[in-house]
Amino acid sequence: DVVMTQTPPSLSVAIGQSVSISCKSSQSLVHSDGKTYLNWLLQNPGQSPKRLIYQVSNLGSGVPDRFSGTGSEKDFTLKISRVEAEDLGVYHCVQATHVPHTFGAGTKLELK
Amino acid sequence: EVKLEESGGGLVQPGMSVKLSCATSGFIFSDYWMEWVRQAPGKGLEWVAEIRNKANNYATYYGKSVKGRFTISRDDSKSIVYLQVNSIRSEDTGIYYCTSGRDSYAHVDWFAYWGQGTLVTVSS
Repeated sequence: DVVMTQTPPSLSVAIGQSVSISCKSSQSLVHSDGKTYLNWLLQNPGQSPKRLIYQVSNLGSGVPDRFSGTGSEKDFTLKISRVEAEDLGVYHCVQATHVPHTFGAGTKLELK
Repeated sequence: EVKLEESGGGLVQPGMSVKLSCATSGFIFSDYWMEWVRQAPGKGLEWVAEIRNKANNYATYYGKSVKGRFTISRDDSKSIVYLQVNSIRSEDTGIYYCTSGRDSYAHVDWFAYWGQGTLVTVSS
């Protein structure tokens, strides 16, 4: 199975600050169709997850452009520019290139 | 508006069975692969199962921890996906979410839509 290593496990930030979260996979996430199915999700406290980013860098529907995703092959990063209060929660990376699909352990974003 | 609504959770005794349902609306269900994802209390997300659509022969896939005990199925006429959980264990306790997979035309990727989840508690 593909292991997703997500760091850091937690982040303490001030509103307006920018932060980055890393996700590294144990295998390349490039699918045989040429696409890379790496997603980023946000789970606000007590809520279901919401998809932020798909295929490494594409913004999900209604997701503000202060979120951005970069990376390739096995190394991916989510950047949040100008953190807002609604961004607090747990961020998850998840790969859908390989079955079984696998999640990172999550990064908890908290207010400083 | 897209909706996914899970049901069927509750208190279940170890070794028993439970069947979870996820009723959907607002998208062409038959075009989509569908997924179940779970979350143990205070833990991260774990992918559980996937069922593909008719065009992909309704192929099914499972996570290692549930393979042989869980069965995912779907009823395209009702736009519902199911998860049959057998021989349930304490470590199966958690919130079970249904979520969308990719669609037939690769226009929509995995995890675009989520339900609110249904809580399964395994205890005697």
